[in-house]
Amino acid sequence: TQLLEQSPQFLSIQEGENLTVYCNSSSVFSSLQWYRQEPGEGPVLLVTVVTGGEVKKLKRLTFQFGDARKDSSLHITAAQPGDTGLYLCAGALVGNNNDMRFGAGTRLTVKP
Amino acid sequence: KAGVTQTPRYLIKTRGQQVTLSCSPISGHRSVSWYQQTPGQGLQFLFEYFSETQRNKGNFPGRFSGRQFSNSRSEMNVSTLELGDSALYLCASSSDRGRRYEQYFGPGTRLTVT
Repeated sequence: TQLLEQSPQFLSIQEGENLTVYCNSSSVFSSLQWYRQEPGEGPVLLVTVVTGGEVKKLKRLTFQFGDARKDSSLHITAAQPGDTGLYLCAGALVGNNNDMRFGAGTRLTVKP
Repeated sequence: KAGVTQTPRYLIKTRGQQVTLSCSPISGHRSVSWYQQTPGQGLQFLFEYFSETQRNKGNFPGRFSGRQFSNSRSEMNVSTLELGDSALYLCASSSDRGRRYEQYFGPGTRLTVT
């Protein structure tokens, strides 16, 4: 079982719709990152959240870190075909430097 | 700053052979991690090197090994290749500062074992 559970696994939506991707765990993380990966390429870092309850915005993307630092969400407003990709969350476990754990990912397809 | 580079980008090997993959981290980054990515298992952590020492290790057999040089460049080696080793191998570097633990990935090496 994955330490970080991402849901949904797959998401197919029309351009202009909104969506939320979740990343949940029973463990506490020092920080949590979100990445986007396109086929045949390495993941690209989108954001890092560090403080419980923190909210960060990156254009149409909003990231939130849970108050207890065990979960996170990614919300995309008015999705575009360019948002298509595999979204991965990753967390650094508290008390275990650089022990990074990755979720299995959410594969998002935005149709024009 | 130049990003993380990995060579080669693509590799085809046959079962039983061995392979060495190379990774050059972002300048100034001393931590290098290796991951295996497959459709079925997702991103699996192999190991992490920091200042030429292995600091963390994932749950992979001893056929998978790595090393880091004084300039922070890293190599990973897989001996006695199996069909199941076919995967995208990703290297990530980190500055290892504070609590952020942000990792920057290279484009990966696509290994196909036939």
